Amino acid sequence: GQNIDQPTEMTATEGAIVQINCTYQTSGFNGLFWYQQHAGEAPTFLSYNVLDGLEEKGRFSSFLSRSKGYSYLLLKELQMKDSASYLCAVRSNTNAGKSTFGDGTTLTVKP
Amino acid sequence: DAGVTQSPTHLIKTRGQQVTLRCSPKSGHDTVSWYQQALGQGPQFIFQYYEEEERQRGNFPDRFSGHQFPNYSSELNVNALLLGDSALYLCASSFGTTSYEQYFGPGTRLTVT
Repeated sequence: GQNIDQPTEMTATEGAIVQINCTYQTSGFNGLFWYQQHAGEAPTFLSYNVLDGLEEKGRFSSFLSRSKGYSYLLLKELQMKDSASYLCAVRSNTNAGKSTFGDGTTLTVKP
Repeated sequence: DAGVTQSPTHLIKTRGQQVTLRCSPKSGHDTVSWYQQALGQGPQFIFQYYEEEERQRGNFPDRFSGHQFPNYSSELNVNALLLGDSALYLCASSFGTTSYEQYFGPGTRLTVT
């Protein structure tokens, strides 16, 4: 079966750094996605990790450890607009469409 | 460059009715995946269409069916609606079934009363 766990909610202060964790147990692994979803809007792609290690993209970085079934999304220099839900999704085979999503972590950034 | 579009934006139906949702993929994309997102949950994969055929299917009953047209646009049909079908229905497009770059549309909010 597929199981993806993320914290339900997190709060952080503007300008700070926050780390959102994701653990997964899936039958097969072919990459891990992070998406950002503002309330009432579509998910937007943030990152894709298929190999172990840290991928940095501006203020956002994503880390993967396949042996531990673990990933995190690191957001630096938080801005109010970063308040959103962050979804972790695992691609269990080569078909990107058939990804299994976690329930998302709602991040609230406070002044 | 048009992104993924979906119609309608919102829809209210009565239990037992049937509904059709529509999706046009991003320009240059030929693959469409459909997801159901209940409130407070992550999207759940329904099925994917490529070359006008259903290629992958998630754990959804046969009441959920779809179609892809020669212009790559797609429809999602749900028969015999249940209250539990109330959700945001998302369409995502990509080029081919293996590309990791998947773009989501704004979704259709379906309410079943």
